[in-house]
Parts: sequence; C-alpha cells; structure tokens
Amino acid sequence: DAKTTQPNSMESNEEEPVHLPCNHSTISGTDYIHWYRQLPSQGPEYVIHGLTSNVNNRMASLAIAEDRKSSTLILHRATLRDAAVYYCILRDLIKSGGSNYKLTFGKGTLLTVNP
Amino acid sequence: DGGITQSPKYLFRKEGQNVTLSCEQNLNHDAMYWYRQDPGQGLRLIYYSQIVNDFQKGDIAEGYSVSREKKESFPLTVTSAQKNPTAFYLCASSIGNRGRNTEAFFGQGTRLTVV
Repeated sequence: DAKTTQPNSMESNEEEPVHLPCNHSTISGTDYIHWYRQLPSQGPEYVIHGLTSNVNNRMASLAIAEDRKSSTLILHRATLRDAAVYYCILRDLIKSGGSNYKLTFGKGTLLTVNP
Repeated sequence: DGGITQSPKYLFRKEGQNVTLSCEQNLNHDAMYWYRQDPGQGLRLIYYSQIVNDFQKGDIAEGYSVSREKKESFPLTVTSAQKNPTAFYLCASSIGNRGRNTEAFFGQGTRLTVV
C-alpha cells in the first residue's frame, strides 16, 4: 500500500494560515492525493484532492510538489471549527491489477486552533 | 437530503452475542465500505462492496460478516468470533469504479461497546 507521513500534531492561532505537510515518497504516477478531516466522534469529511496541479476549493488549498513526493494542505484562515485530525491519503488499489480503490488512513495530524 | 446514515449511534453488546450495525445511503453510490477505528488510531478497512450482491474482505475481516442485497444498504454483523469488538465503526460510500478521484462520504459512526 502507498504510505504517507504526517506530523502527529500541529498548533495554530485563530484567523492565521495553517500549512499541514504530508510526505508520500513512494507515490505512483497515477495515485491521487486526498485529504480528509475528522472531528471528535464523527466520521471523516472530505476536504480536497489532487493529482499534479495545485487545487483550490471553498475549504482549503492543496499544494503538490513538482516531484509529487510531498504535498501541503493550506487552510487560509483557521477557525475554531477547523480543529480536527487531518488525514493525507493516497487513493490506492484494493487488488493489484484490479479497479477497486480504497482509502488507507494513517494516524493523521491533530490540529489544535487557539482562540 | 442525500447522505449516509448509520444506526444506532451507540450500541452495547454482551460477550458472545452477534450484533448488526446498519448503514443506508441515498446517494445512488455503487461502492460501500466498512471501517473500524480504535482510540488514537486511523481507520482500518473491514469489508467493501463495489456492486449489489458482491462484497470483498478488507484488511481485518475476521469475525465480521456483511451482505449487500440492495444498493442502498450494507449492514455489518459483528459476530462472537471477533475477539476485540469494542470500537468505533464507520460506513462510507462512493461512486465506485467510475473514477478513482472521487470522494467518499462517511456516516456519523456507531460506537460499539462489549460489556
């Protein structure tokens, strides 16, 4: 399975930008990079995904390195509601040679936002 | 509103009893998944189904069983053979094989406690 590495925890102040890093040095050429976040006692929530180019949506931006071995999730202005565990995931095949995909979750980064 | 619904939110079971967790979606998604999450850990895949009347084992299927008789429903049974069933269970759905870059939608989870 493709692996990602994230810091265990990060801290930010409210209304400041947050940059959440992710390393994925074994990424294959066709793996998409997905980000999800999970609030306490809730199911994960999709944030953003990308392949090669930087991506923006209403929630966040995703900056992908040119060699695709790392990426950064950017929250432009952190709010208290952004405090969650953020997962960086490579969407990988369930069976080699097949077409079924799964999301493999690591431990993620616990983001704390200070008022 | 479209979404994915898990019930119940909290479930208590006596040792040696089977218990079934419900998962329903009205998103017209082909693929459905069951994950297990232990405290401080990421999600681990139990079972998945890409189409009605078909399902496959994930990484930790022992002690669990599923059925997929309807597109909208993917119930998970935790059997007495599961040695450590106390955990947070999450159901998810996605469009499926039509795209590897599609997001997954998660339910709010069922917290199962064996007493």
